[in-house]
Amino acid sequence: SAVISQKPSRDICQRGTSLTIQCQVDSQVTMMFWYRQQPGQSLTLIATANQGSEATYESGFVIDKFPISRPNLTFSTLTVSNMSPEDSSIYLCSVQRGRDTEAFFGQGTRLTVV
Amino acid sequence: GIQVEQSPPDLILQEGANSTLRCNFSDSVNNLQWFHQNPWGQLINLFYIPSGTKQNGRLSATTVATERYSLLYISSSQTTDSGVYFCAVGGKGAGSYQLTFGKGTKLSVIP
Repeated sequence: SAVISQKPSRDICQRGTSLTIQCQVDSQVTMMFWYRQQPGQSLTLIATANQGSEATYESGFVIDKFPISRPNLTFSTLTVSNMSPEDSSIYLCSVQRGRDTEAFFGQGTRLTVV
Repeated sequence: GIQVEQSPPDLILQEGANSTLRCNFSDSVNNLQWFHQNPWGQLINLFYIPSGTKQNGRLSATTVATERYSLLYISSSQTTDSGVYFCAVGGKGAGSYQLTFGKGTKLSVIP
């Protein structure tokens, strides 16, 4: 298993501002991912956070809007930039120790943009 | 990409009743997990079950990979079982290890 600490757990932000979400894992992991869950919806993958290189974004998500850092094998950040009310969602960090292995999730960041 | 369909979308149970949740997927998978999302939004791992059958207390799951479906059984349901149950799969192709989630089954257990 993996223990994942995600901060902040929730925030209310003004439109036009940016929020950085942190994800800390208790041990080194190969794969880290960021997901978005819009209200009443399922989870959608934003990007794969790659250690030491640029993140790999899914269709519909761009680096300018969701810049991601992963400086080492236990830590990653996701920034939601120039926020609008449509960005109000739960953002979740996920880790896997390798492909075809069990995925574990942080407790999520509940973001409300006003 | 791989498609994941869950049924039913909503389910209301009397406490003590049993239920079966279904997950169909469109292609071969190397990874299949069931999660429970509690009212606070946290995803709880229930089963990692790309094939076969597993049991954990009142919950059990079966995946028939050759027929591309998985079932989650909840017996003697309790109000704490309420929430959304998600099935998520990872495909077999290169670069397809990321999980794709179904839309979930929202379960409400009433006293």
